[in-house]
Amino acid sequence: NAGVTQTPKFRILKIGQSMTLQCTQDMNHNYMYWYRQDPGMGLKLIYYSVGAGITDKGEVPNGYNVSRSTTEDFPLRLELAAPSQTSVYFCASSVQGRLGGTQYFGPGTRLLVL
Amino acid sequence: AQSVAQPEDQVNVAEGNPLTVKCTYSVSGNPYLFWYVQYPNRGLQFLLKYITGDNLVKGSYGFEAEFNKSQTSFHLKKPSALVSDSALYFCAVSQTEQNAGGTSYGKLTFGQGTILTVHP
Repeated sequence: NAGVTQTPKFRILKIGQSMTLQCTQDMNHNYMYWYRQDPGMGLKLIYYSVGAGITDKGEVPNGYNVSRSTTEDFPLRLELAAPSQTSVYFCASSVQGRLGGTQYFGPGTRLLVL
Repeated sequence: AQSVAQPEDQVNVAEGNPLTVKCTYSVSGNPYLFWYVQYPNRGLQFLLKYITGDNLVKGSYGFEAEFNKSQTSFHLKKPSALVSDSALYFCAVSQTEQNAGGTSYGKLTFGQGTILTVHP
């Protein structure tokens, strides 16, 4: 049982490039989330999904897109990378999105946009 | 809107001494409170949560947290700190959020984090 896995661990992008951050969970969780973590800040929610085929915006969705074609996978797409997207990105999942449900996090992807 | 404050950016304690990492919250309705820990270059790990019931919640690695409704606090504690406890600690509060389509989920709002350093 691997939990939540993310790839790549680290990536450097040039301004304007695009990339997809991969996230997979093997816990059969319906809810999945993408967060970004900036230095000295807590985590900010980018997008979330309540199940396959259903996604919605979080607090900071601009510049990102997501899709959820399967229960296991929830990739995050950056179309035109900007320096403001330099951050650490975390994917998380929970068995359901109910109040008080525990979210389980992946190890993160560190992204540097130059 | 819900919010979480961790008033100390950094906490330093000697190994073997008790530790406290502070957290206060603001939420309408009953709070659902969490503590997560992040070790260097790792993801967040769940420590404990308060949903209802006993105000003292016990969690992983010997940590516990005390829920105080009148002071709107949820401080993390450990009776005897270890050097291996050194990490970044996040407090979070969960409240129901509803999207435009009417789907509800438990939105987590995080504090800015507190760096705990335990000295040998």
